[in-house]
Amino acid sequence: DGGITQSPKYLFRKEGQNVTLSCEQNLNHDAMYWYRQDPGQGLRLIYYSQIVNDFQKGDIAEGYSVSREKKESFPLTVTSAQKNPTAFYLCASSSGIQETQYFGPGTRLLVL
Amino acid sequence: AQSVAQPEDQVNVAEGNPLTVKCTYSVSGNPYLFWYVQYPNRGLQFLLKYITGDNLVKGSYGFEAEFNKSQTSFHLKKPSALVSDSALYFCAVRDSASTGRRALTFGSGTRLQVQP
Repeated sequence: DGGITQSPKYLFRKEGQNVTLSCEQNLNHDAMYWYRQDPGQGLRLIYYSQIVNDFQKGDIAEGYSVSREKKESFPLTVTSAQKNPTAFYLCASSSGIQETQYFGPGTRLLVL
Repeated sequence: AQSVAQPEDQVNVAEGNPLTVKCTYSVSGNPYLFWYVQYPNRGLQFLLKYITGDNLVKGSYGFEAEFNKSQTSFHLKKPSALVSDSALYFCAVRDSASTGRRALTFGSGTRLQVQP
């Protein structure tokens, strides 16, 4: 899983609650990404950031928010507007023109 | 727009036999192509990539992939499968012509089951 850490490993969300997933990298990568993985499906892009203080919506951004105040950190908030948040969330980072993405170990979000 | 297809949900192979996991892609420019492997409840591990050059790319754990531009394919191969290769495999693509979105597009994944 390289130099990318995600916490917590498991997260439980109550109805109407916002929760934040942490992603930190020590690879000095410029770009960071958040993906959602549902059973039997591939990865879907939620948000990505190519540089500090800048980020773009991916394919399924509704109900999620992010910030990129530091190069090393890219936290994801799952808001109460996300009606079906149960999934495995993966953070990744990349750098350079060939842009191999390296992934963290993931956070599994469950709804109580 | 860029897209990638993995036509097989699952591939079964006996240990010691060669394995192939299929991937086809669609991009408007030249493709950057990647293979990743995922073990249960873990993140994705990078196996190999094609950017340019030799069509046969060698990667980690004895895996290789062949880029075929005319067939828009990038199939993953291994000469002799191991039980420990059993996992979920993802193909991903990025269009080199894209100057905006630099994110990869992933296929739906192929589960490889290697029987002892």
